[in-house]
Amino acid sequence: GENVEQHPSTLSVQEGDSAVIKCTYSDSASNYFPWYKQELGKRPQLIIDIRSNVGEKKDQRIAVTLNKTAKHFSLHITETQPEDSAVYFCAASKQAGTALIFGKGTTLSVSS
Amino acid sequence: GAGVSQSPRYKVAKRGQDVALRCDPISGHVSLFWYQQALGQGPEFLTYFQNEAQLDKSGLPSDRFFAERPEGSVSTLKIQRTQQEDSAVYLCASSLGAGALGNQPQHFGDGTRLSIL
Repeated sequence: GENVEQHPSTLSVQEGDSAVIKCTYSDSASNYFPWYKQELGKRPQLIIDIRSNVGEKKDQRIAVTLNKTAKHFSLHITETQPEDSAVYFCAASKQAGTALIFGKGTTLSVSS
Repeated sequence: GAGVSQSPRYKVAKRGQDVALRCDPISGHVSLFWYQQALGQGPEFLTYFQNEAQLDKSGLPSDRFFAERPEGSVSTLKIQRTQQEDSAVYLCASSLGAGALGNQPQHFGDGTRLSIL
């Protein structure tokens, strides 16, 4: 089955710096890759997603890139702010509407 | 409602008791998913409904776990004869569906934190 690996497990940056989180997946049939932000005790919130027919997507300070050949995708956060501090999860799924397979998460800490 | 609603938020049960967790998806969402999230881990898939049909239950860890969505809206996850390893946060997510629309984003509820003593 699908396996998603996520690195790093923890990431500390200074306010204003950029943060990059990387994920790899094993199943070449995967075609949908969302990223979720989860604050302590809260629900995972979708922050951006990308489908396999595009290589990059951007939404303000957040961008995601996808390399289908290498089977990896990355989250880029620019101009980080303290409120970006949270756990970030990448995920992958194959067919439309099927289960998301999550990475183990990255704890991002942004210090001011 | 505006989002996915789960109840109760917290549930404490003694080992061996049965529990029932409820999920109210976003109105009109066809697909409903249950995930289990252990402390410090990512959510792990349990089961998936499309309307009232349970299309995938491959993630249910044992036959003590049972889920239903009889009218294609509200769903209940039931755990029988609970064990300590069942302690986790149980998340429900819903989405508009699949098919021609492709993968639609899954929107999560706040979860039910289950503690088995």
